[in-house]
Amino acid sequence: SQQGEEDPQALSIQEGENATMNCSYKTSINNLQWYRQNSGRGLVHLILIRSNEREKHSGRLRVTLDTSKKSSSLLITASRAADTASYFCATDAIYNFNKFYFGSGTKLNVKP
Amino acid sequence: DSGVTQTPKHLITATGQRVTLRCSPRSGDLSVYWYQQSLDQGLQFLIQYYNGEERAKGNILERFSAQQFPDLHSELNLSSLELGDSALYFCASSSRDQNEKLFFGSGTQLSVL
Repeated sequence: SQQGEEDPQALSIQEGENATMNCSYKTSINNLQWYRQNSGRGLVHLILIRSNEREKHSGRLRVTLDTSKKSSSLLITASRAADTASYFCATDAIYNFNKFYFGSGTKLNVKP
Repeated sequence: DSGVTQTPKHLITATGQRVTLRCSPRSGDLSVYWYQQSLDQGLQFLIQYYNGEERAKGNILERFSAQQFPDLHSELNLSSLELGDSALYFCASSSRDQNEKLFFGSGTQLSVL
């Protein structure tokens, strides 16, 4: 399966701490995306990183991509209670880029 | 607000029945994706349409079908429903055929009793 897998499945931290989530995938990709889902709601796009990029920043978000290890990480710095949500990585497939595969997500709980 | 509209928000039906879920993409988006999310699970890719044509197919059951109409809205038809079909069904749209971020609707919660 092409599906990405996030690790850990759940993460609980205090407000102000950093949160790191990882994503691993199985086959070569064109790009990798991270999405956030608040409970029971639609997913919201956070950041897209292309296969020829190694790192990308957006506000308090930092994403890295290691294509040799087929893995990515999402770092949220100075977390806030409002960051409490599930985070998913999504990958396409280098020869089948119409399909976006999502993992099972990391549930992040930021305690005030 | 993502600009993607899904109706209905909630649907309760019985086993063996047929339902239709509707999705209106963001204005100008040609591509529509359908996903299924079971309780506390990831999203399973079902199918993608681009400008009325089927582009990619995922783990979509034969009991399920979809189409995209000339006005670009899409419908997902689920028939002979089973208890296990209970899930949140999401539609997402993007402006291009590939390599683009997706904008998700708020989903249709389907409960099969």
